[in-house]
Amino acid sequence: AQSVTQLDSQVPVFEEAPVELRCNYSSSVSVYLFWYVQYPNQGLQLLLKYLSGSTLVKGINGFEAEFNKSQTSFHLRKPSVHISDTAEYFCAVSDRLGTSGTYKYIFGTGTRLKVLA
Amino acid sequence: NAGVTQTPKFRVLKTGQSMTLLCAQDMNHEYMYWYRQDPGMGLRLIHYSVGEGTTAKGEVPDGYNVSRLKKQNFLLGLESAAPSQTSVYFCASSYFAGGNNEQFFGPGTRLTVL
Repeated sequence: AQSVTQLDSQVPVFEEAPVELRCNYSSSVSVYLFWYVQYPNQGLQLLLKYLSGSTLVKGINGFEAEFNKSQTSFHLRKPSVHISDTAEYFCAVSDRLGTSGTYKYIFGTGTRLKVLA
Repeated sequence: NAGVTQTPKFRVLKTGQSMTLLCAQDMNHEYMYWYRQDPGMGLRLIHYSVGEGTTAKGEVPDGYNVSRLKKQNFLLGLESAAPSQTSVYFCASSYFAGGNNEQFFGPGTRLTVL
């Protein structure tokens, strides 16, 4: 079964500084990776996803992530953060449910990004 | 389109009480999911459905039941609530079931069991 590790539970960063949120996953034959953002008191919203092809994936709100197969990582980056980026960020990998053709998400424990003025 | 909606948004129960959480989606998605979110644990799958009239167990199904009588609705029931079920519950839906498919999430229901 797949697993996802987000080592940083909280990341404080000053406004307009760059940020990297780390995500590592357990290796598999094929993998689909996702980053979701959760703003306070809201549901999860898809930021970006890696399915195949280019290892650099661009998402919404200026975020990007790089798929690194050899390091089994999918780190999320933004060159300049805003106060409005304060939220919790979840990395997820899809995993097959039993022998069915249905997949579920395996989520990391989340990283709380706090952007400081 | 409203997307995925959940009712209620908040609820406080006493131990032993029962309740039903309603999830509705207007995107004609076949697949629906119930997750719970607990601090430091991410989201964990409770039950899921691959179509109207079908349900299946996820990672943490104990203490919950579900029903999918209509394609657009997915109900999560707690027959006898316990404090360990205090959590935030998220419903999600997807058009396909494949690993490359995006799931769309509702805003969540915050449940406290005293």
